[in-house]
Amino acid sequence: GQNIDQPTEMTATEGAIVQINCTYQTSGFNGLFWYQQHAGEAPTFLSYNVLDGLEEKGRFSSFLSRSKGYSYLLLKELQMKDSASYLCAVNDYKLSFGAGTTVTVRA
Amino acid sequence: SQTIHQWPATLVQPVGSPLSLECTVEGTSNPNLYWYRQAAGRGLQLLFYSVGIGQISSEVPQNLSASRPQDRQFILSSKKLLLSDSGFYLCAWAGVGETQYFGPGTRLLVL
Repeated sequence: GQNIDQPTEMTATEGAIVQINCTYQTSGFNGLFWYQQHAGEAPTFLSYNVLDGLEEKGRFSSFLSRSKGYSYLLLKELQMKDSASYLCAVNDYKLSFGAGTTVTVRA
Repeated sequence: SQTIHQWPATLVQPVGSPLSLECTVEGTSNPNLYWYRQAAGRGLQLLFYSVGIGQISSEVPQNLSASRPQDRQFILSSKKLLLSDSGFYLCAWAGVGETQYFGPGTRLLVL
């Protein structure tokens, strides 16, 4: 079976940095995705890691360690619009999603 | 560019009634198509996926079914809805790459 764990909630201040961790135990692995989901909306794609290391996209970065079954999403220079749920998803032959981490950005 | 549509956006149905949700994709050919359900406060659960016309794989046995009558059309159906079918239904597509892109979703409330 698939087991994907993320913290339920995180709170941070505007302009700060937040790191969302994701650990996984899956029967197979073909990459890991991060999605952003605002309340009441569909998830939107943020990043995809298939090899170990850091992928940077503007204010957002994602890191993967396959040997540790671990990834994190780093959000820098937080803005109010970053308040959302962040979903970690592991690609086996299908995507298995974690329950998501709700990030609240305070002024 | 590719776009994905779902309708209706919101649906309120009585228990025992039938269901038909539609998803269409534009701007791509032979996409992989997926149906997910997201219950309140929970993660996305894959229900069905399709790699081609008439090819449906079911992930979770339940009272739902899916069909793909055309290359870019994916339909989710039920003959008799249950209270537990309430949720946010999301259709997604993927092309040659692995990334899945989601439609706007249908919010279903079964009363």
